[in-house]
Amino acid sequence: DAKTTQPPSMDCAEGRAANLPCNHSTISGNEYVYWYRQIHSQGPQYIIHGLKNNETNEMASLIITEDRKSSTLILPHATLRDTAVYYCIANYGGATNKLIFGTGTLLAVQP
Amino acid sequence: EPEVTQTPSHQVTQMGQEVILRCVPISNHLYFYWYRQILGQKVEFLVSFYNNEISEKSEIFDDQFSVERPDGSNFTLKIRSTKLEDSAMYFCASKKDNSGNTIYFGEGSWLTVV
Repeated sequence: DAKTTQPPSMDCAEGRAANLPCNHSTISGNEYVYWYRQIHSQGPQYIIHGLKNNETNEMASLIITEDRKSSTLILPHATLRDTAVYYCIANYGGATNKLIFGTGTLLAVQP
Repeated sequence: EPEVTQTPSHQVTQMGQEVILRCVPISNHLYFYWYRQILGQKVEFLVSFYNNEISEKSEIFDDQFSVERPDGSNFTLKIRSTKLEDSAMYFCASKKDNSGNTIYFGEGSWLTVV
């Protein structure tokens, strides 16, 4: 799986959009970009994933650059409950599909 | 929404004792996983399981660990003789099939070895 690089921490004001970047410059053509988050030692929670196209669901949007070397997770209106560690993971999916977690980005949403 | 459930939520055990952590994966899922997270550290992959056998395991998953799917619903992790360094949060996870579906995690079992 390709290595991903994320900033160790970010702040965001409550109600504003949180934009979390991820670099995955060595990603291969069939690797997906997955985003998970972990709130205070709870189980990792799936947020969104994508391959080439931008994706949106009820939780977030995922913007993947055209060259696929980086992506941004967008939480459109961050709340205090979005304070968590966010993990960006490049993964082939498929049968093996074991996720390898890095250190992620600690997003602190400020009131 | 279907979810992965784990029991117990917290267990304290004496060093050298056997521990079994239990998981009920999402009902139509076929791939199962155990991960662990030592306090303050990364979430680490332990083992994946499919079709009643281990499909992959990490270096952490040594002879002290075993997994089993004893019936159609439970998936267990056994630690034969616990060590202090086994103290961690253990997460069970499951995935529907091999088409690249998302892995869903349980809330974890916190194991403290004293």
